[in-house]
Amino acid sequence: DTGVSQDPRHKITKRGQNVTFRCDPISEHNRLYWYRQTLGQGPEFLTYFQNEAQLEKSRLLSDRFSAERPKGSFSTLEIQRTEQGDSAMYLCASTYLGQGNYGYTFGSGTRLTVV
Amino acid sequence: AQRVTQPEKLLSVFKGAPVELKCNYSYSGSPELFWYVQYSRQRLQLLLRHISRESIKGFTADLNKGETSFHLKKPFAQEEDSAMYYCALSGGGTSYGKLTFGQGTILTVHP
Repeated sequence: DTGVSQDPRHKITKRGQNVTFRCDPISEHNRLYWYRQTLGQGPEFLTYFQNEAQLEKSRLLSDRFSAERPKGSFSTLEIQRTEQGDSAMYLCASTYLGQGNYGYTFGSGTRLTVV
Repeated sequence: AQRVTQPEKLLSVFKGAPVELKCNYSYSGSPELFWYVQYSRQRLQLLLRHISRESIKGFTADLNKGETSFHLKKPFAQEEDSAMYYCALSGGGTSYGKLTFGQGTILTVHP
């Protein structure tokens, strides 16, 4: 296991198109988080899962955004009808509840550009 | 609501000089505070956390609840310390594990 993997690394899409990102966490981690980072800002929380249950969603996550984590393994983040304001780096992180926040491991991120 | 403020976007020092990256937070309960670092072309990684009270790569940070601060310090900066540094906070209850980040400080250590 080489850590948290995100795919794709980069995505360029036309406004109005749908995009889907994938995150593969560290296999024994039961918590998975999605963050968004825009230029000059720190990461902002979007949503998180404990196993397959989505426990919290930020109000940043409009109804165009949906996230899933089937079977508590990998997770997908879909953005429908993309807008230019969606252009950002989307980060995934995982941890094992029980380690507190110590085991937070980030992926390299997916950079989305909406043109 | 929880908030993290890093007042300096950029910080430049010379090699061997002391460095302090400031972090202030706002949270009504007892938070957990962290420093994350991102080196050029690498992923975000944990540098240190306040509960461990450890020194990592010569960096230390003390949680000051009275001043609601968690400043990161190193007595003698090295060129390899050049990176983006983020202070982050995790609250309790339903927010446990969810991190609120500051805007980050770019540290440049000149030779």
